[in-house]
Amino acid sequence: KAGVTQTPRYLIKTRGQQVTLSCSPISGHRSVSWYQQTPGQGLQFLFEYFSETQRNKGNFPGRFSGRQFSNSRSEMNVSTLELGDSALYLCASSLEFLRGGGYTFGSGTRLTVV
Amino acid sequence: EDKVVQSPLSLVVHEGDTVTLNCSYEVTNFRSLLWYKQEKKAPTFLFMLTSSGIEKKSGRLSSILDKKELFSILNITATQTGDSAVYLCAVDVPTGNQFYFGTGTSLTVIP
Repeated sequence: KAGVTQTPRYLIKTRGQQVTLSCSPISGHRSVSWYQQTPGQGLQFLFEYFSETQRNKGNFPGRFSGRQFSNSRSEMNVSTLELGDSALYLCASSLEFLRGGGYTFGSGTRLTVV
Repeated sequence: EDKVVQSPLSLVVHEGDTVTLNCSYEVTNFRSLLWYKQEKKAPTFLFMLTSSGIEKKSGRLSSILDKKELFSILNITATQTGDSAVYLCAVDVPTGNQFYFGTGTSLTVIP
């Protein structure tokens, strides 16, 4: 079966712009989580969605937002981009949050802010 | 504050060597600890550990958890160049449906 698909793979934006990233989970998976990965901070939790509802949010400013659609696809939006937002953004899906390690990551979107 | 610390940060070994990667954690509430391997972008799942002292094994990889001392180790025996990757440790905290990740150990296996 198809894995977790993230688009686009790469993105270059300038400071002040906004960006939308997309994540299509594995078919049947209803939980989608987003993480930001930077060399210094490692993976940091952004938010988790289940059945179109945000169940939890990490310690990121309000410029970071997301949503989930009825088909479980999720989008993440970052407004007023800053240089420090340059990172690899990973999404992960599971049937329900974490059951037997069934948490599958996508290949990520590499965002560069210039 | 919940945190996960991995050591060493990086490691270079020769093929055939055995390596031990460490993960210690301090969390207010613990459900499980997971190990992932990240070669390029997508971390891939290796092990999930919930009970102390029970070794999980998959081929040349094995892992064990010590809930009293709050750490886990990942062992790789007879390393191969294909083992070169970043190994991530994550702790599942039931409150909040999220993982706390360490910054990873970068392993390089040279022929």
